[in-house]
Amino acid sequence: QVQLVQSGAEVKIPGASVKLSCKASGYTFTRYYVHWVRQAPGQGLEWMGIINPSGGSTSYTQKFQGRVTMTRDTSTSTVYMEVSSLTSEDTAVYYCARDVADDYSFDYWGQGTLVTVSS
Amino acid sequence: QSALTQPASVSGSPGQSITISCTGTSSDIGSYNLVSWYQQHPGKAPELMIFEASKRPSGVSNRFSGSRSGNTASLTISGLQAEDEADYYCCSYAGNSNLLFGGGTKLTVL
Repeated sequence: QVQLVQSGAEVKIPGASVKLSCKASGYTFTRYYVHWVRQAPGQGLEWMGIINPSGGSTSYTQKFQGRVTMTRDTSTSTVYMEVSSLTSEDTAVYYCARDVADDYSFDYWGQGTLVTVSS
Repeated sequence: QSALTQPASVSGSPGQSITISCTGTSSDIGSYNLVSWYQQHPGKAPELMIFEASKRPSGVSNRFSGSRSGNTASLTISGLQAEDEADYYCCSYAGNSNLLFGGGTKLTVL
């Protein structure tokens, strides 16, 4: 069965970086785009960007350009997202999600990773 | 780009039907049929309920339906059940590899 398993919770100080992972299984990794979405406590969903696991091409929403980097490792079917220059406003649950069919909808989601930024 | 606009809350009694609207612009919902809807229960990851404005993934109840007209998309839930109580988010492709979410709607089943 399709699964996206994310790395564990992180606690970071302001100014630091965090690198999250999302390991895919149960399907051909390179056939489906993967997105990252975050949700601050008590808030709504916010789309961050997309990566094509086949060629590694990426696109980030303007808000995160220059601060977010998405990569992938096809040998382990894992997608990574690094967020730099963290502030308290980056405290959120970060989800990876698989694109249904290149139509920007998400049929499978990871369990989420809580990132807490605090001094 | 601004988020899509959803009502903050809606409510209905068991068995009734409710509709959640999602208003965008001619640059997103008005231009693309790539609208999706997600249900999220507290502490859980979102779940896809509708994609491409009106298509239902396998396994999703046919009580859930979606539509799109002009710059507005809608999610209708018929025959409300207690387990439908959750947050609902709309989402639309906005061109140039960009995606927008709505602010979310809390559905209360009375």
